Amino acid sequence: QQQVKQSPQSLIVQKGGISIINCAYENTAFDYFPWYQQFPGKGPALLIAIRPDVSEKKEGRFTISFNKSAKQFSLHIMDSQPGDSATYFCAASKGGSQGNLIFGKGTKLSVKP
Amino acid sequence: EAGVAQSPRYKIIEKRQSVAFWCNPISGHATLYWYQQILGQGPKLLIQFQNNGVVDDSQLPKDRFSAERLKGVDSTLKIQPAKLEDSAVYLCASSLSPGRTNLHFGNGTRLTVT
Repeated sequence: QQQVKQSPQSLIVQKGGISIINCAYENTAFDYFPWYQQFPGKGPALLIAIRPDVSEKKEGRFTISFNKSAKQFSLHIMDSQPGDSATYFCAASKGGSQGNLIFGKGTKLSVKP
Repeated sequence: EAGVAQSPRYKIIEKRQSVAFWCNPISGHATLYWYQQILGQGPKLLIQFQNNGVVDDSQLPKDRFSAERLKGVDSTLKIQPAKLEDSAVYLCASSLSPGRTNLHFGNGTRLTVT
């Protein structure tokens, strides 16, 4: 049973546009929600993360929006750049752990110049 | 700060053969993880170590997979015998502790089982 559902599977955005990736979770015990960025041939790298006590977190061009009642969270990439082209994974964990993660299936983002 | 080191980068074996992957975590990181990433999917946790003890191996197929972390530093993941469905990227990650510290991934070992 997939505990973190991610959509869309792929996304094409023009340079300067907004990229939006969504995730939904089932387990209400989850208390840590990170987004990871992965380039081909590389391991995932932490991009931004949120805990359920806040509804939004912003770091530069990247924003996480969190809706606890709907059990959903999303990643917004403002002013998308070709260098943002990568696969993005949402994830979740519980019990205070930031390492024992359950990942979504990923979204392949392509930003066209 | 040096990152998580993994070797080899690539490995091709035939089914029923055995294979081993090596990981050297970031210096000082007590917690080490092995994840399996099948093509087109997100990583899946196989095993978590705290120092040289196993914290969680609930998703490790123990009939064929084994892992150890001797002396609480380097770790080895072994598959014996390999199956076609084991073809994946095996990612090692480390963190300072299992709690509120970030996870750092290595670049993985891509295994192809033919």
